Amino acid sequence: SAVISQKPSRDICQRGTSLTIQCQVDSQVTMMFWYRQQPGQSLTLIATANQGSEATYESGFVIDKFPISRPNLTFSTLTVSNMSPEDSSIYLCSASGNTEAFFGQGTRLTVV
Amino acid sequence: GQQLNQSPQSMFIQEGEDVSMNCTSSSIFNTWLWYKQDPGEGPVLLIALYKAGELTSNGRLTAQFGITRKDSFLNISASIPSDVGIYFCAGFERSNDYKLSFGAGTTVTVRA
Repeated sequence: SAVISQKPSRDICQRGTSLTIQCQVDSQVTMMFWYRQQPGQSLTLIATANQGSEATYESGFVIDKFPISRPNLTFSTLTVSNMSPEDSSIYLCSASGNTEAFFGQGTRLTVV
Repeated sequence: GQQLNQSPQSMFIQEGEDVSMNCTSSSIFNTWLWYKQDPGEGPVLLIALYKAGELTSNGRLTAQFGITRKDSFLNISASIPSDVGIYFCAGFERSNDYKLSFGAGTTVTVRA
């Protein structure tokens, strides 16, 4: 298993600002992902964080809005840029091999 | 990835009762995973299933990987108040770059 530390755990931000969420895994993992979870909903994949190269974004998500870094095998960041109230959600980091996936505790973001 | 068909969407159960939920997909999965998410937390992996027909237990939890590889179920026996939460099924598809597909979740509420 992998232990994933994600921070901040929550934040309240002003619209128009940006927030960077950090994700640290306690072991080297093949793949890291970022998800968004709206209240009462399931998880929606934002992007795959690729080590040393640009992230791979899912339909409906773009790099300008959600820039992602992954400088090494154990660390990744997600930035939510130019925030609006519609960005209020839980953002989750995930690490996986090919058979299991583990999640951070999530970042609860409220944009006011 | 596709969203899996998870049912029921919610359930109210009496403490001590057994609970069952299931997931189906339109395509074959290589791995089925079951998660539980408590409020304010990320999903926690409960059980992972790797082979068609596999039946795996984790305490009071039992899950099976369907023979067709397109379905899975999770049973909780003798439910207790701490079983409250949202349960998600998820699956890995080799054809989808090992990205997870999720069910919509089953919200379990236990009546004491």
